[in-house]
Amino acid sequence: EVQLLESGGDFVQPGGSLTLSCAASGFTFSSRAMSWVRQAPGKGLDWVGSILGDGVSAAYADSVKGRFTISRDNSKFTLYLQLNSLTVEDTAVYYCATRGSGWYGDDWGQGTLVTVSS
Amino acid sequence: EVMMTQSPATLSVSPGERATLSCRASQSVSSSLAWYQQKPGQAPRLLIYGASTRATAIPARFSGSGSGTEFTLTITSLQSEDSAVYYCQHYYNWPLTFGGGTKVEIK
Repeated sequence: EVQLLESGGDFVQPGGSLTLSCAASGFTFSSRAMSWVRQAPGKGLDWVGSILGDGVSAAYADSVKGRFTISRDNSKFTLYLQLNSLTVEDTAVYYCATRGSGWYGDDWGQGTLVTVSS
Repeated sequence: EVMMTQSPATLSVSPGERATLSCRASQSVSSSLAWYQQKPGQAPRLLIYGASTRATAIPARFSGSGSGTEFTLTITSLQSEDSAVYYCQHYYNWPLTFGGGTKVEIK
């Protein structure tokens, strides 16, 4: 059974930084591309970025490009999202998801909440 | 960027009736279209990918159709547990984008 467990969400001031983690189990982690998707309170889903299984290549939404970085440690079965220069607009629940046969979210974690506020 | 537009915003349907949800893409996305169900306080759940392929363990009352720019999610014989927000998402190219969602309410 695929399990994804996000952690690292916190309350942070504007301009601050945070690192989110997504611990994976139940599948061959290094073979699966992964994505981060966020959801602001009461709003819809918003793609953040995706990374290939080998971690060599990643793609980002324009809204986070240059501020957020996706990485992974396949030896630790863990996906990361480094968030820098945070703004109040980054307040959201952040989900990690596995890639299916296409770039859609096959399995999802339960999410971790990031709150950016002064 | 491909814009995804869902309609209606809210749909109220009686138990046992059919619900029809629409998703329109601003340009062709071929069949690279997924549908998700999200209940309050829960993560999204994949229902359909490839516009019409049901994901694992998804009941047969959920079906998807369409290609190009017009897509439909149909829920036949609606059940109380189908009350949720439904999102479409294209994965034809970058950036991936989602529709704004359709909230399905049970009358």
